[in-house]
Amino acid sequence: KQEVTQIPAALSVPEGENLVLNCSFTDSAIYNLQWFRQDPGKGLTSLLLIQSSQREQTSGRLNASLDKSSGRSTLYIAASQPGDSATYLCAVQTGANNLFFGTGTRLTVIP
Amino acid sequence: DTAVSQTPKYLVTQMGNDKSIKCEQNLGHDTMYWYKQDSKKFLKIMFSYNNKELIINETVPNRFSPKSPDKAHLNLHINSLELGDSAVYFCASSHNRDLSTDTQYFGPGTRLTVL
Repeated sequence: KQEVTQIPAALSVPEGENLVLNCSFTDSAIYNLQWFRQDPGKGLTSLLLIQSSQREQTSGRLNASLDKSSGRSTLYIAASQPGDSATYLCAVQTGANNLFFGTGTRLTVIP
Repeated sequence: DTAVSQTPKYLVTQMGNDKSIKCEQNLGHDTMYWYKQDSKKFLKIMFSYNNKELIINETVPNRFSPKSPDKAHLNLHINSLELGDSAVYFCASSHNRDLSTDTQYFGPGTRLTVL
């Protein structure tokens, strides 16, 4: 059964730093991997979706990579800002319409 | 202009009661979902409806019954609530039923507490 793990569980960085969030999954037979952002009391916002045939996706200051064979993905955030503070979740799709989420990394960017 | 909305945001109730959570999306999407986020923050898909038709029904107790009066609404009714039902429930929608290519849009969540 698919298991998705995110390390670290929490991360604090000073504003302006570049940072990397990690996601690993146990079953490499995935359709895609998504990174989401979750703000307290709000829903999930999809940030990036990487198809299984792709290696990376970029959106603004965000870059997500996917290494399907090793079961890993990273989310790179450049020049972090206090507004980036949130919980970041990765999720993999395996099988038709099955989405497995990790436990998330709570990011705090200190002004 | 909220895309996916859920009501209520918070729900506190006694064991054994029956309750409903409502979800509406104004994105014109064909597919809607219900997820449960447990205390460890894992999100697990519960149900998925495409154009009012049930397409995913994960291993969920039959006390949980989704109802889709139209493709813009997917309500979750829970009978005989148990302590273990306490969680945050998220509704989501996507344009079509293929999660391999389609982004899901999530609602703000409903925090259910069963006493």
